[in-house]
Amino acid sequence: DAGITQSPRYKITETGRQVTLMCHQTWSHSYMFWYRQDLGHGLRLIYYSAAADITDKGEVPDGYVVSRSKTENFPLTLESATRSQTSVYFCASSPQTGGVNTGELFFGEGSRLTVL
Amino acid sequence: SQKIEQNSEALNIQEGKTATLTCNYTNYSPAYLQWYRQDPGRGPVFLLLIRENEKEKRKERLKVTFDTTLKQSLFHITASQPADSATYLCVWGYAGNNRKLIWGLGTSLAVNP
Repeated sequence: DAGITQSPRYKITETGRQVTLMCHQTWSHSYMFWYRQDLGHGLRLIYYSAAADITDKGEVPDGYVVSRSKTENFPLTLESATRSQTSVYFCASSPQTGGVNTGELFFGEGSRLTVL
Repeated sequence: SQKIEQNSEALNIQEGKTATLTCNYTNYSPAYLQWYRQDPGRGPVFLLLIRENEKEKRKERLKVTFDTTLKQSLFHITASQPADSATYLCVWGYAGNNRKLIWGLGTSLAVNP
């Protein structure tokens, strides 16, 4: 089906373990994003990508790594999970029209991560 | 720093009435404001975008206004329905740069039958 899918939807891990959250979109949107959503905070940008092989840090990148070898995939890796990374993670994509980003984001359903 | 403020108190209204949600911002006017809907356990869904040079935007039962003097956007849902119950997020954005979006915490709307 067309859209943006995240996996896993739920994940429980332990402190210090590596975790990878997957994101796949079928629209061939140029831009992709990873956000985290926590109580008391608005959505906060972790990393974004303007195109394949182009990534950059957002507001809260520490402890996270991303890659984008293909336009449709944008995995997020927590190299050594900490309790403070317990959160709901959202992947999003956005089209670029005529060289200008339109601003509208399309979100996945989220990955709820618990770090014990 | 730039901030977006939405009413943290839940809004409860009767079915059929108009719901009005407020979004205030500090400091700089955005190039645009976006409104999203978020249901529990789901990702946000884009509803409307209004640019700095627009005063009003409509889409079906939805209407957004933008007042740069008041530094405020109002989001209206007319003829509200229980299915409109959700959290509504306001987002402040730079021109052509959606990696610097600033998200509000959202206002929860409950439409009672």
